[in-house]
Amino acid sequence: NAGVTQTPKFQVLKTGQSMTLQCAQDMNHEYMSWYRQDPGMGLRLIHYSVGAGITDQGEVPNGYNVSRSTTEDFPLRLLSAAPSQTSVYFCASRAPGGAGTEAFFGQGTRLTVV
Amino acid sequence: EDQVTQSPEALRLQEGESSSLNCSYTVSGLRGLFWYRQDPGKGPEFLFTLYSAGEEKEKERLKATLTKKESFLHITAPKPEDSATYLCAVRGGGADGLTFGKGTHLIIQP
Repeated sequence: NAGVTQTPKFQVLKTGQSMTLQCAQDMNHEYMSWYRQDPGMGLRLIHYSVGAGITDQGEVPNGYNVSRSTTEDFPLRLLSAAPSQTSVYFCASRAPGGAGTEAFFGQGTRLTVV
Repeated sequence: EDQVTQSPEALRLQEGESSSLNCSYTVSGLRGLFWYRQDPGKGPEFLFTLYSAGEEKEKERLKATLTKKESFLHITAPKPEDSATYLCAVRGGGADGLTFGKGTHLIIQP
């Protein structure tokens, strides 16, 4: 099993460009989520999904869109990139067996918006 | 609003010198407290889940404990390979996501 796979690993965007960060998991996990990690701050929840077709907002959703058409994939879309979205993005998934199940994280996408 | 505060922000120890990392939390309906390890350029790696006050879990040189207001990660006789950032997070009764602290950057010197 590959676990949680994120692509690309690095990306540079110009302000105003759009892009999609990809996230795929092969563990058949129902729950998936996106976080951003900035220096001096903890990881912050952007969006999450509790199953195909179901998504909801986290703590910092503005400027990001998500959709969940399959159990395996949970892409994160930046519609019009801004320098404030420069960050490291992590995708995570977990099994639905109770709220205490641990989340497994991908290796991250480092995004720079210039 | 769920909140997690970790201390210290950074800790430098000699190899073999035991210590503890602290995680204070406020949460509405705790559904789990989690400890992760993060190495530079990598994603967080799961260590422990604690559910209720009084619970303890151990793995190699690490032991995690939980009270109603805080959790401790005790590291006994650490080795240089234990150097990493240790993250504490809680899952509360709201959104299905984790609220993280800022982490403790641990350096173990040979």
